Amino acid sequence: GAGVSQSPSNKVTEKGKDVELRCDPISGHTALYWYRQSLGQGLEFLIYFQGNSAPDKSGLPSDRFSAERTGGSVSTLTIQRTQQEDSAVYLCASSLGTPRWGPPLHFGNGTRLTVT
Amino acid sequence: KNQVEQSPQSLIILEGKNCTLQCNYTVSPFSNLRWYKQDTGRGPVSLTIMTFSENTKSNGRYTATLDADTKQSSLHITASQLSDSASYICVVSSSSGGGADGLTFGKGTHLIIQP
Repeated sequence: GAGVSQSPSNKVTEKGKDVELRCDPISGHTALYWYRQSLGQGLEFLIYFQGNSAPDKSGLPSDRFSAERTGGSVSTLTIQRTQQEDSAVYLCASSLGTPRWGPPLHFGNGTRLTVT
Repeated sequence: KNQVEQSPQSLIILEGKNCTLQCNYTVSPFSNLRWYKQDTGRGPVSLTIMTFSENTKSNGRYTATLDADTKQSSLHITASQLSDSASYICVVSSSSGGGADGLTFGKGTHLIIQP
């Protein structure tokens, strides 16, 4: 079946512009996560959605970052007034239930964002 | 603070050789530990999960171990293949949840298999 889909796969933008990154999770998965991975670094948690609960935004690095999940499915991560330090690969993952009780995270292949 | 430390940071071995990757954690209370494989340019994919009661689990040429007393896990790769070249990420879950849904990621081990 279809996995997690992210678009675009690559995005080059100028400093100061806004960008939107899209994630289509696996159908039926209630949990959705956004992570950021800088070159040679580990995954950095950004935000977590679980069903209809309020999202866990504790990982968002600044108020320039926001995310929404419409209808419990598609999610959009928005970065306003992009900075060069925002350059990274943004990974989305979905899960059936809560991974801390067992279900694995299913990751998309990410969006590589380059801010020039 | 929950932490996951992986070693070595990077490793180069010859095709056909074996290797062992390490993961030490301080996550508490512990729920499970999962190993992911991340190929270049792709998202991580789950290899195996270890729960508190499990000591050893195999998945083909991959064998994971867990020592819940010392809070250590290892991933052993037997008869390595070129396709094993990837980053291997250890993720530990806390049953109490918390920020990031209780998931703590290691920084990964970058493994290169040379022909």
